[in-house]
Amino acid sequence: RKEVEQDPGPFNVPEGATVAFNCTYSNSASQSFFWYRQDCRKEPKLLMSVYSSGNEDGRFTAQLNRASQYISLLIRDSKLSDSATYLCVVNIDRTGGGNKLTFGTGTQLKVEL
Amino acid sequence: NAGVTQTPKFRVLKTGQSMTLLCAQDMNHEYMYWYRQDPGMGLRLIHYSVGEGTTAKGEVPDGYNVSRLKKQNFLLGLESAAPSQTSVYFCASSDIRAGPQHFGDGTRLSIL
Repeated sequence: RKEVEQDPGPFNVPEGATVAFNCTYSNSASQSFFWYRQDCRKEPKLLMSVYSSGNEDGRFTAQLNRASQYISLLIRDSKLSDSATYLCVVNIDRTGGGNKLTFGTGTQLKVEL
Repeated sequence: NAGVTQTPKFRVLKTGQSMTLLCAQDMNHEYMYWYRQDPGMGLRLIHYSVGEGTTAKGEVPDGYNVSRLKKQNFLLGLESAAPSQTSVYFCASSDIRAGPQHFGDGTRLSIL
């Protein structure tokens, strides 16, 4: 089983739609969770951190379910500019230092007119 | 706001050549990282550093070396480039141990 698994998509949705991505992780010791956005041929950029209580940033809502070991990202009122690949990222604080982030392979979103 | 800066942006090498990729951050972050990104495989950690003068191996360290002589700089070296090292390389930094990482805009490296 992969440490972090995502549906690769692509998710093709019309503008204005609501879309949700799920991501599962294998290590129950995982401590920190993030969603990154990566545009084609660009660097990953932090979209939002994911907190146990869930968190919202404008049209974006992130949820964490530790019991089932998954995190989710909900995008409401999709915009054309939301088209990108969304990376699920999980941190495991390993012995010896460092801050190893494990990246999913990403879910591609295409928002269409 | 410079953040994390990588040089060069693009490079083409011949098999067996050597080169160094430079990463510089101006955020006074302790932790720095080198990743490679290949299609369908996500980002994989090559080496990382938890502070000036320290380095450690990630999950795919073979064929690479790193140095962190100054806190703001993290260098990635390829001593003898191989076609399998054709990839996009990203440098990242973070200020706290379990916090998010901030990425440079990448170096596209092709080995012929």
